[in-house]
Amino acid sequence: DTAVSQTPKYLVTQMGNDKSIKCEQNLGHDTMYWYKQDSKKFLKIMFSYNNKELIINETVPNRFSPKSPDKAHLNLHINSLELGDSAVYFCASSQRATGANVLTFGAGSRLTVL
Amino acid sequence: KQEVTQIPAALSVPEGENLVLNCSFTDSAIYNLQWFRQDPGKGLTSLLLIQSSQREQTSGRLNASLDKSSGRSTLYIAASQPGDSATYLCAVLGSGSRLTFGEGTQLTVNP
Repeated sequence: DTAVSQTPKYLVTQMGNDKSIKCEQNLGHDTMYWYKQDSKKFLKIMFSYNNKELIINETVPNRFSPKSPDKAHLNLHINSLELGDSAVYFCASSQRATGANVLTFGAGSRLTVL
Repeated sequence: KQEVTQIPAALSVPEGENLVLNCSFTDSAIYNLQWFRQDPGKGLTSLLLIQSSQREQTSGRLNASLDKSSGRSTLYIAASQPGDSATYLCAVLGSGSRLTFGEGTQLTVNP
């Protein structure tokens, strides 16, 4: 019954590999997000999708490509992984893209690049 | 561009103390402010949400205040317990549902 679920929870991989993290929400929300928490614990938005359309695209390397097949899913694909990509990636969702929203976060996916 | 600052970065107190965590933000055009708790290696737990029209919210031993005009919020924790040890994150929601986080206050409550 988890509202926002991410898989995998842990991912350890070698530099140069391509990997994906998946996110699904069962709240019926229109908007989904990816946040990155770096080694200093600082959380920063990467992307936001509203009803499958990209609405926020922060300054993120183009090795990161989000994909939203439907409004309940937002996946994050990362090409040519680098050491600096090691972080915890959090998915979140909200009812809509504007106004006084409350974001619901997933438990996070910890990516370690060796 | 919104910036959120939390002071102090770390705090260590003996059990039973009342304590205050501070959060400031540079752009007062916010929809709401939220305090989260994060335990080591875990996700985010929402503690309190204050809408921009509100001044404070209370939940148990926690009380959060918001002064939007001055760009400040405080989280007051009464009678602290070792189980309160965690990182506390402040986040403000601005335009386009952009949630901006502070860097957090790492709290340790010693038995």
